[in-house]
Parts: sequence; structure tokens; C-alpha cells
Amino acid sequence: QVQLQESGPGLVKPSETLSLTCSVFWGSVSTGIHYWSWIRQPPGKRLEWIGYIYYSGTTKYNPSLKSRATISQDTSKNQFSLSLTSVTAADTAVYYCARLTGYFHFDLWGQGNLVTVSS
Amino acid sequence: QSDLTQPASVSGSPGQSITFSCTGTSSDIGGFDYVSWYQQHPGKVPKLIIFDVSNRPSGVPNRFSGSKSGNTASLTISGLQSEDEADYYCISYTSSDTLVFGSGTKVTVL
Repeated sequence: QVQLQESGPGLVKPSETLSLTCSVFWGSVSTGIHYWSWIRQPPGKRLEWIGYIYYSGTTKYNPSLKSRATISQDTSKNQFSLSLTSVTAADTAVYYCARLTGYFHFDLWGQGNLVTVSS
Repeated sequence: QSDLTQPASVSGSPGQSITFSCTGTSSDIGGFDYVSWYQQHPGKVPKLIIFDVSNRPSGVPNRFSGSKSGNTASLTISGLQSEDEADYYCISYTSSDTLVFGSGTKVTVL
């Protein structure tokens, strides 16, 4: 059964870059069937979509992030990653990686990685 | 793009039915049948309960049902149970090839 696992630092300083990786186990990011996505949820608040990447390298992002987010993939490692620049306290959240089907629903989620932005 | 609008909270007694909405625009909900719903218990990972407006994944109880009319999607929980107390989010595909999330609805079982 396919599983997703986020990894990365739990603490990032303001103005720095947040970097997270999602490893895909017992599945492949290169199948062309799914999109691979990042979602976040600030403590006590709603879910927010960050963006997705397709196996071809095509990416789409939430306009509200104003070009701070970049999603990339490493097919050799079966991973995809998130980079979020110029972070502030407002970027403190649980970050989830998730699999997005071709019909645009999330059918598989990672366990989430809490990232706190603080000096 | 703006968030999809959901009521902040809905409540009902065990056994009752509740329905709540998710309102968007013709560029998202109204334009596509790619609306999905997720259930999230506190501290837990969201779980897919409805996809493509009204389809249930295997293992999701049939007391959960979805529908859509115009720019508004709805989720109905029939025969409300205590374990249905959770936050619920709707998500839609958009004409910009992006996704838009709902503001979330907290369901309380009285």
C-alpha cells in the first residue's frame, strides 16, 4: 500500500526558507496517473492548498502565496519537495504532502510535519 | 481566487440528518464536477469521504452523501453519530487548473 512521509526541520527562522520533502513508499511519482501536492494547516485554522506537481514537471500554486512556493521532484529518489521562501510566523503550520488523483481529489495523505517559524 | 464558503458550525442530535453547504463560483464548483469532501478529527489527518460531487470511497458509510446545484455543493450526514463530530472541508477544482478549499465546518453532535 502506497504511503507518504514528510521530512524536514521543525523550526525555521523568520525570513529564511522552509524546505520539506515527501517520500513516496511502495508507489511511484513518475506514473503519470497522479499529481503530488502540498497542503498546510496553521494551528487551529483551516486547510490551505499550496500547490501540486505532475510527473512531467508541470506545477501549479495557490496565488495567495505570491510566488514564494516552489515544488520540485526527484524521480530517482521517488520524492517531491516544497520550498517556501521568506517565511514569517504566519507560515507556522502542519504541512501535509498528499496524492491528488486525475479527478482532483486527495486520496492519500502523509501524517503531517509541524513547522514552527520563530527566532 | 477566494475560498469556498462554508458555515462555521452545524449541530444536530444523534440520529438526525444535517446538511451543510459549500458555495463557490462558476469558475470552480459551478463549472466542474470535481468537488470533494474531507472529514478531519482533532489532531488527525483529513480523510476523503466524498469525491466527484457524490461518490463515496470504499469504506465510507452510506450515511454520508453529496450533491451539487449550480455554484453550491452540499454534504448530508444522515443518522448522525457521535463519531461524526469533526471538521469538514470541501475542495473544488478551478478553471485556472488550481484547487480551492472551503473555510471548514465544525459539526457538533449534541
